[in-house]
Amino acid sequence: KAGVTQTPRYLIKTRGQQVTLSCSPISGHRSVSWYQQTPGQGLQFLFEYFSETQRNKGNFPGRFSGRQFSNSRSEMNVSTLELGDSALYLCASSLESRTQETQYFGPGTRLLVL
Amino acid sequence: GDSVTQMEGPVTLSEEAFLTINCTYTATGYPSLFWYVQYPGEGLQLLLKATKADDKGSNKGFEATYRKETTSFHLEKGSVQVSDSAVYFCALNSNYQLIWGAGTKLIIKP
Repeated sequence: KAGVTQTPRYLIKTRGQQVTLSCSPISGHRSVSWYQQTPGQGLQFLFEYFSETQRNKGNFPGRFSGRQFSNSRSEMNVSTLELGDSALYLCASSLESRTQETQYFGPGTRLLVL
Repeated sequence: GDSVTQMEGPVTLSEEAFLTINCTYTATGYPSLFWYVQYPGEGLQLLLKATKADDKGSNKGFEATYRKETTSFHLEKGSVQVSDSAVYFCALNSNYQLIWGAGTKLIIKP
């Protein structure tokens, strides 16, 4: 089975621009979660989608948004980029994101904001 | 809210040494506990997990036991190798999200 894929792997943007990141989950997985990883803040939860519905959202400003499509693929969007948005963005998938389930991670998209 | 506290790194050991990385948690309810590993330039890989109290997760020589009485999930390995050098994250699953420790960088010297 193919793993979680994320595109693009690397991005360079300038402040004020917007960016869209894509995540394709493992086949059959219906839950997709997004995390931001930075050296200063570590790993932080952004949001989780299941069957096209956002079930939980982390403590991030409204500039961060996401969506999930009927085939479970997910996108996240960051508008009006700030320097502090430079990070590794990780996507994870699981069957239903129940407590005992494993979340499987993609390789991440590394975003650099100049 | 729920939280995970992990020992600060880096931890530097010689090959074949015994490894312990401490992890404690605060949670309401009965979370599942995980250890993930991140190699340089890569995403996160599940190392092991435990879904209820007294469960022991194990993989690749690593072990961790879910201790409800001490709210701990310490990672251990009897004999580390250079290839174990990586960053290790302890996490718990709560309300459809993983809550993470800060990560512990492990450096193994030959």
